[in-house]
Amino acid sequence: QVQLQESGPGLVKPSGTLSLTCAVSGDSISRSTWWSWVRQPPGKGLEWLGEIFHTGTAYYNPSLGSRVIMSVDKSKNQFSLKLTSVTAADTAVYYCSKWYDTWGQGTLVTVSS
Amino acid sequence: DIQMTQSPSSLSASVGDRVTITCRASQSISNFLNWYQQKPGKPPKLLIFSASNLQSGVPSRFSGSGSGTDFTLTISSLQPEDLATYYCQQSYATPRTFGHGTKVDLK
Repeated sequence: QVQLQESGPGLVKPSGTLSLTCAVSGDSISRSTWWSWVRQPPGKGLEWLGEIFHTGTAYYNPSLGSRVIMSVDKSKNQFSLKLTSVTAADTAVYYCSKWYDTWGQGTLVTVSS
Repeated sequence: DIQMTQSPSSLSASVGDRVTITCRASQSISNFLNWYQQKPGKPPKLLIFSASNLQSGVPSRFSGSGSGTDFTLTISSLQPEDLATYYCQQSYATPRTFGHGTKVDLK
C-alpha cells in the first residue's frame, strides 16, 4: 500500500523559500506515474501546483511563474517542492500526491515574520 | 487555462436523497475528469476517474457521467458519511485545474 508523507518547516518568513519533501513508501518513485503537489489555503479550494515524472520532466502552474521548482530523489524515494519569494498568499496546506489517487495527509505552511 | 465551473456551490439534502453536482469545462476535455471528496482536515479522496470510473473501494452509490464539457457526479442515496465538499478536476491539460467545490450538508 502506497503511503506519502510531507515534511518541512511549518513557518517561512516572507520573501523566503518554502521547501517541502514528500517521502514515498510502499512503491518506487521510478514507476511510470506522475507525482504532484496541490495546495489549499485555509478555508479555500484546491490549487494544482505542478507534477513531476521520475525522469525529472515537470509541469508547473504558470500562475507561480518562475518561483516553483520540483525535483525527484530516487536514492531516497522522495520528491520535493521549492517555492521562492513567498508571501502571505502562499500560506496553505500543501499536499503531495501520486497521480491523484493517493495523497499525503498534508502539511500546513504559514508565511509570516 | 481550462476553467472548471461547478454548481451548485453548496447544497442541503436529507439522508436518502439523490444528489447531483455538475461541472462544466471551458473547452472540451474528452473524459479527462476526476471527482474528489474532501472532509475537513483531510486530503482529497479520489471517487471517480475518467469521468465515469469508480475508484476502488468507493461505494457504488457514487457515479459519474459526461464527456466533452459537461459532467455530473451523482450520489444515489445520500448517507451521513457523505457530508463533505466535492471537487472536480480536469486532467486533460496542464495546469490541471479544479472546480471551486460543492459543499454538501444536511437539511
